Amino acid sequence: DQQVKQNSPSLSVQEGRISILNCDYTNSMFDYFLWYKKYPAEGPTFLISISSIKDKNEDGRFTVFLNKSAKHLSLHIVPSQPGDSAVYFCAASGLTSGTYKYIFGTGTRLKVLA
Amino acid sequence: DTGVSQNPRHKITKRGQNVTFRCDPISEHNRLYWYRQTLGQGPEFLTYFQNEAQLEKSRLLSDRFSAERPKGSFSTLEIQRTEQGDSAMYLCASSLELWRELFFGEGSRLTVL
Repeated sequence: DQQVKQNSPSLSVQEGRISILNCDYTNSMFDYFLWYKKYPAEGPTFLISISSIKDKNEDGRFTVFLNKSAKHLSLHIVPSQPGDSAVYFCAASGLTSGTYKYIFGTGTRLKVLA
Repeated sequence: DTGVSQNPRHKITKRGQNVTFRCDPISEHNRLYWYRQTLGQGPEFLTYFQNEAQLEKSRLLSDRFSAERPKGSFSTLEIQRTEQGDSAMYLCASSLELWRELFFGEGSRLTVL
């Protein structure tokens, strides 16, 4: 049972344009969400987070939007840069199967074209 | 460098051997987590510690896996009698607050032949 889903395995965007990465979740008990970026052969790097009491959080070029009614969050990168090319994971934390833990999606590979 | 440190970065072993990975968390973080990641998947939770206490273990963690965090500082993850299915990237993370921003190390890649 995949509680956190990233339905687009890959995305290509032109440099300077907006990148939008999407994530859906099924568990209404999730109350905190994060986005991570991962380069090959490295561990995930924390990007940005959002609590379920908010619907938007912004940090520089990165903005995360949360739509609780749709159980959907998205990461916007504006403007996209070639160095943003990486795999992006969303993660949700909350009570699941009786315990509190983080669940990660399967990732979206972003390629920013120069 | 004050980030999460993991070693070894790569380990190749033969099936049936034991392996041990070490994780040194960010010094002021008292919470430490182990995750496993295979190709095409997101990180999967294995276990977590608050100080030296192991508070939760995933059902993914079979009895061949054991994790310790003596004295609440570094942690070790041991896999006994390795199997080919154990081949994966083993990730360690630490955090200041429970289940808030996790900071990951670079991972230890295990290949079981």
